[in-house]
Amino acid sequence: ETGVTQTPRHLVMGMTNKKSLKCEQHLGHNAMYWYKQSAKKPLELMFVYSLEERVENNSVPSRFSPECPNSSHLFLHLHTLQPEDSALYLCASSPRTGGSTGELFFGEGSRLTVL
Amino acid sequence: SQQGEEDPQALSIQEGENATMNCSYKTSINNLQWYRQNSGRGLVHLILIRSNEREKHSGRLRVTLDTSKKSSSLLITASRAADTASYFCATGANNLFFGTGTRLTVIP
Repeated sequence: ETGVTQTPRHLVMGMTNKKSLKCEQHLGHNAMYWYKQSAKKPLELMFVYSLEERVENNSVPSRFSPECPNSSHLFLHLHTLQPEDSALYLCASSPRTGGSTGELFFGEGSRLTVL
Repeated sequence: SQQGEEDPQALSIQEGENATMNCSYKTSINNLQWYRQNSGRGLVHLILIRSNEREKHSGRLRVTLDTSKKSSSLLITASRAADTASYFCATGANNLFFGTGTRLTVIP
């Protein structure tokens, strides 16, 4: 148990569906992250939120829409996805001071399959 | 690219042997971190080494850092079957960037 909880753990959706991934951290951290992990590729940093403000968006397609309502919760809203978006989506949190990142605490991931 | 690159991509050893994994990176760093991932699970932080440190130990783990060569190594001594996992190095100034990892298999 890392203190970061992701739901659902598994999700299967069609290309026209709308779904959301949820992440919750109980560690008192002020930064949260979404990473995408596809087979045989480096982890891709998708979004970074620090103190509930988005500080980084690494050119992620608009079919992925993040939301950070408070420092403990992070969502990734999904709509009109493509089969190549199938991957393990990992949420992480960390203390963040002066813009630099310390140790990341990851959730167990949400395995997404797009049909 | 800010990410580290791990080498080898895969490593298979017998239980009790030592496992060494390497990481190379391209940019200046404040610190370098190593993480472990069991199949299909989240990553778990193992150790952080700062740019002014050359070696760090944690249990059976030993990490070295050579900033002149922009490289780091992770040594796992007396490996166990439970060490079977993927291992990643991570670097970056403001955010952490990961490579594709080294897949370690420890055969009982």
